[in-house]
Amino acid sequence: KAGVTQTPRYLIKTRGQQVTLSCSPISGHRSVSWYQQTPGQGLQFLFEYFSETQRNKGNFPGRFSGRQFSNSRSEMNVSTLELGDSALYLCASGRMMGYEQYFGPGTRLTVT
Amino acid sequence: GQQVMQIPQYQHVQEGEDFTTYCNSSTTLSNIQWYKQRPGGHPVFLIQLVKSGEVKKQKRLTFQFGEAKKNSSLHITATQTTDVGTYFCTYSSNTGKLIFGQGTTLQVKP
Repeated sequence: KAGVTQTPRYLIKTRGQQVTLSCSPISGHRSVSWYQQTPGQGLQFLFEYFSETQRNKGNFPGRFSGRQFSNSRSEMNVSTLELGDSALYLCASGRMMGYEQYFGPGTRLTVT
Repeated sequence: GQQVMQIPQYQHVQEGEDFTTYCNSSTTLSNIQWYKQRPGGHPVFLIQLVKSGEVKKQKRLTFQFGEAKKNSSLHITATQTTDVGTYFCTYSSNTGKLIFGQGTTLQVKP
């Protein structure tokens, strides 16, 4: 069974730009969660989608948004990028919400 | 909101020594999950504990859920260099959201 895939793997953007990250979950998984990981803040929950609906949201500004498609693939968007948005963005999928999560390799975003 | 505290934050051990990381909550948890993240990698699910006092073993790793379901521990016997990484505990909130602890980073000296 193929694992969680994330694209792109690396991205360099300039302050003020926007970015879209993509996540393809494991086949059959309907829950997709997004996390931001930085050395200082650890793993911070962004949001979780299940059956195309956002079920949970973390404490991030409205510049961070996401969506899930009918095939469970998910995208997250960050608008008006700031230097502090530089991080590893991890996507995780699961059969159900709150159960074990399978993480993708992440997208390393650098904002200059 | 509800938090889980992990201690220690860092641990350096000599290969062959044992290692334990603890996860503590001020409130009762419905379950605990443990993940391991190797340097440069992504978190990988290790195990889920649900029952009070539950103990599960995976080779040299022993996971325990406290009787009051407020704490958990991960114990590694005779560490190896392959055990290097950050170990996270996490639990499901009442909305299904996973809340991660800050993690314990383990370094093993050969």
